[in-house]
Amino acid sequence: AQTVTQSQPEMSVQEAETVTLSCTYDTSENNYYLFWYKQPPSRQMILVIRQEAYKQQNATENRFSVNFQKAAKSFSLKISDSQLGDTAMYFCAFMKHLKEYGNKLVFGAGTILRVKS
Amino acid sequence: NAGVTQTPKFQVLKTGQSMTLQCAQDMNHEYMSWYRQDPGMGLRLIHYSVGAGITDQGEVPNGYNVSRSTTEDFPLRLLSAAPSQTSVYFCASSSSGQGYTEAFFGQGTRLTVV
Repeated sequence: AQTVTQSQPEMSVQEAETVTLSCTYDTSENNYYLFWYKQPPSRQMILVIRQEAYKQQNATENRFSVNFQKAAKSFSLKISDSQLGDTAMYFCAFMKHLKEYGNKLVFGAGTILRVKS
Repeated sequence: NAGVTQTPKFQVLKTGQSMTLQCAQDMNHEYMSWYRQDPGMGLRLIHYSVGAGITDQGEVPNGYNVSRSTTEDFPLRLLSAAPSQTSVYFCASSSSGQGYTEAFFGQGTRLTVV
């Protein structure tokens, strides 16, 4: 079974600074997807960024980028130029590549990020 | 676009009562899932479906039933609510297309069992 570990329950950062959220995972699969989801106080689940395991290049989406280390099974999220609207719970998640598994997601426990002005 | 619609948004139940959490999607997605979110545990999969008439258990299925009679709807039933089922529940759907397909989440249902 796959597991996802987020070792930082809470983090804080000053507005405009950079912060990195950590995530490690355990799997015997070779092909899979990794995600970071944002959950603001509204409870909505928002996809921030995804990474395909077969791609060596780290994914980027505007101010969000990842450091994907497949051998180390590490998948950290870097948020640059932090904004007050980035305040939220962030979940790291894993999905097997195989379609017959119905796109099931395995989530970490989450990291609460607070951006301070 | 409605996307994934969950009802109700909030619910309080007494121990032993039954209820159904509704989930509907209008994107013709084959895959649908139910998760529960608890503090310090993230989201955990309860049940999932890969198409109408096909369901299977996830990580934490005890105390919950599901059925999938149509592509659009995937209700979650609590037959006899327990305080341990106090949680926030999310429904998600995605298509079965080739390659990666994004999961779309409903707005969640906060359930309190007293």
